[in-house]
Amino acid sequence: KAGVTQTPRYLIKTRGQQVTLSCSPISGHRSVSWYQQTPGQGLQFLFEYFSETQRNKGNFPGRFSGRQFSNSRSEMNVSTLELGDSALYLCASSLGLNGFTDTQYFGPGTRLTVL
Amino acid sequence: QKEVEQNSGPLSVPEGAIASLNCTYSDRVSQSFFWYRQYSGKSPELIMSIYSNGDKEDGRFTAQLNKASQYVSLLIRDSQPSDSATYLCAVNKDKIIFGKGTRLHILP
Repeated sequence: KAGVTQTPRYLIKTRGQQVTLSCSPISGHRSVSWYQQTPGQGLQFLFEYFSETQRNKGNFPGRFSGRQFSNSRSEMNVSTLELGDSALYLCASSLGLNGFTDTQYFGPGTRLTVL
Repeated sequence: QKEVEQNSGPLSVPEGAIASLNCTYSDRVSQSFFWYRQYSGKSPELIMSIYSNGDKEDGRFTAQLNKASQYVSLLIRDSQPSDSATYLCAVNKDKIIFGKGTRLHILP
C-alpha cells in the first residue's frame, strides 16, 4: 500500500507571497492532519480534515487554511507569507473513524523557506 | 503547563544498554498515547501505541502508561546506534498533541 505523499518537497518563496501544499493520504484513509515543525516549537497541529470538513483546528492565524477533496486529498494554503512561516510542513493521514485510537502516518513533508 | 512535556536531551546511552524516555501530559481525559521516532531530516514514524495502564512490549521496545500519574514512558532494550534519533511522545484526546521530543544518542 502506498504511503502518504506530499508535493512539492521543497519550496522557496518570498515574504508576502502565498503558497499551496498538497497531500495525498494512504488509500482508504479519510482523515488528513497538517502540522508545522520548527526547531524551536516542535510539531504543532494546524488542522484536521475528515470527509471534506474541518474537524479540528490548532492555534494558527487565519492566513493558514486548508481543504479536503472528495478523494480525501488535501491542500493547505498559507497567504501573505512571513519569515517565521519557514518550516517543515507535515501531513498525516489516518482512518479517522475511531478518534481516540487513530494512528497517524506521516508523509515526507514539504520544506518551505521564506526569504 | 505544557500539554505534553518531554526532556529535550540529548540523552546519551551506551550501546547495548537500556534507554528510558519519559513523557508527562496535562489532560487527564487523554485516551491514547503514541511514541514516534524521527531521524534527522525525516518525518516521524510510529513505534508504539498504548491505550491502557501497564506495559506493552514490541520487540526491543516497551511502552509504559500510568494514567493516574499522567506519564508514559518508552524503554529501548539492547540500544543500537541506529536507535539514535528524536523520540516524540504524542497524546490523543480529540486531537493529537506532540511533545517537542527527546534526542537520544547511542554511544558505540
